[in-house]
Amino acid sequence: DGGITQSPKYLFRKEGQNVTLSCEQNLNHDAMYWYRQDPGQGLRLIYYSQIVNDFQKGDIAEGYSVSREKKESFPLTVTSAQKNPTAFYLCASSPQAGENNEQFFGPGTRLTVL
Amino acid sequence: GQNIDQPTEMTATEGAIVQINCTYQTSGFNGLFWYQQHAGEAPTFLSYNVLDGLEEKGRFSSFLSRSKGYSYLLLKELQMKDSASYLCAVRDVRSNDYKLSFGAGTTVTVRA
Repeated sequence: DGGITQSPKYLFRKEGQNVTLSCEQNLNHDAMYWYRQDPGQGLRLIYYSQIVNDFQKGDIAEGYSVSREKKESFPLTVTSAQKNPTAFYLCASSPQAGENNEQFFGPGTRLTVL
Repeated sequence: GQNIDQPTEMTATEGAIVQINCTYQTSGFNGLFWYQQHAGEAPTFLSYNVLDGLEEKGRFSSFLSRSKGYSYLLLKELQMKDSASYLCAVRDVRSNDYKLSFGAGTTVTVRA
């Protein structure tokens, strides 16, 4: 089945540690996105990539880093510089960033920093 | 940037109709999306409007007025499974860069 996978679903880390969240898609989509969701707030864009080996900062990129070495994969690293990393992280993809296509979301990873 | 407003919560009875409003302010408007999100799960696509008017898809309909910066999602014949958060998202185009901005979501509770 085609889709977007994120792993793990729940992740716990100690404060000060970097952690990498995985996102894989087999939909052959060009564009991929990372969002953060906090209670009572909308999804906020962290980073996005419209093509392999290229990515741009979203609205809240500070304390995060990404890579896009393969079309299928867009991992997100939450660094120790992120002041409030505990949140629900959602990865999404779309066929092309510039087309009238909806974004398809993965199941999300809930990160808790202790 | 965008300013997207939608009510925080709505409650309705099974079988009834609920209308969720969304207002937005943006330059470079390039479409409005509605997503449904059950607690702890991924958002799923419901509808897309880029031209003024009503888009109907089964029990769900979405309306757009670009001149008013206004959209609504209409849920008819409510079922218990419709209890979820409904997210309004606006796509903005600037310098060939397409991004979605999301409202905070409206939590709909359907009562028996």
